[in-house]
Amino acid sequence: SQTIHQWPATLVQPVGSPLSLECTVEGTSNPNLYWYRQAAGRGLQLLFYSIGIDQISSEVPQNLSASRPQDRQFILSSKKLLLSDSGFYLCAWSGGVREKLFFGSGTQLSVL
Amino acid sequence: DQQVKQNSPSLSVQEGRISILNCDYTNSMFDYFLWYKKYPAEGPTFLISISSIKDKNEDGRFTVFLNKSAKHLSLHIVPSQPGDSAVYFCAASADNAGNMLTFGGGTRLMVKP
Repeated sequence: SQTIHQWPATLVQPVGSPLSLECTVEGTSNPNLYWYRQAAGRGLQLLFYSIGIDQISSEVPQNLSASRPQDRQFILSSKKLLLSDSGFYLCAWSGGVREKLFFGSGTQLSVL
Repeated sequence: DQQVKQNSPSLSVQEGRISILNCDYTNSMFDYFLWYKKYPAEGPTFLISISSIKDKNEDGRFTVFLNKSAKHLSLHIVPSQPGDSAVYFCAASADNAGNMLTFGGGTRLMVKP
């Protein structure tokens, strides 16, 4: 069966520090991968999605970047965190077009 | 511009009664709709979906209704249980947008024993 791993579960970082969140998927090949953010009291906002290695699309302009160095690995990064980057970050995968998403357990990021 | 809206941020229901969660959308190209359930500090889990060729889909205690003319869908939970207490997100996608799901803002359901 397919599983998705996301870490760390919680992270507290000072403003201006770098960020790296990692997500891996097991049990499937060539998944579509996604990074979402849920800000406090708000819905799920799509940040990045990827249909293959080194193929990244950004949905919103922001202080973050994403990379996919391997087929089942998706990384969310920032060189310098802002206070507004605080939120709950979710990685997700799907098997293809129009298939439902499966989410990881999320990372609660607090930028202080 | 929010294309998927859940106008009720919270809902409180007594155990055993019906919970009705509502969702409105503006994009007439949306043709596939899903509901996700999310507990605190966890990722959302898929609950139920409906294609635009249907107006109802049922799975156990969960039923989703779709009214295309009104661009409205609703999730009914009968009977509601305390374990149903969570945030519920509706989501929609359009055939011309690949697998990009657009999510609503969520509704927090509290089922009281």
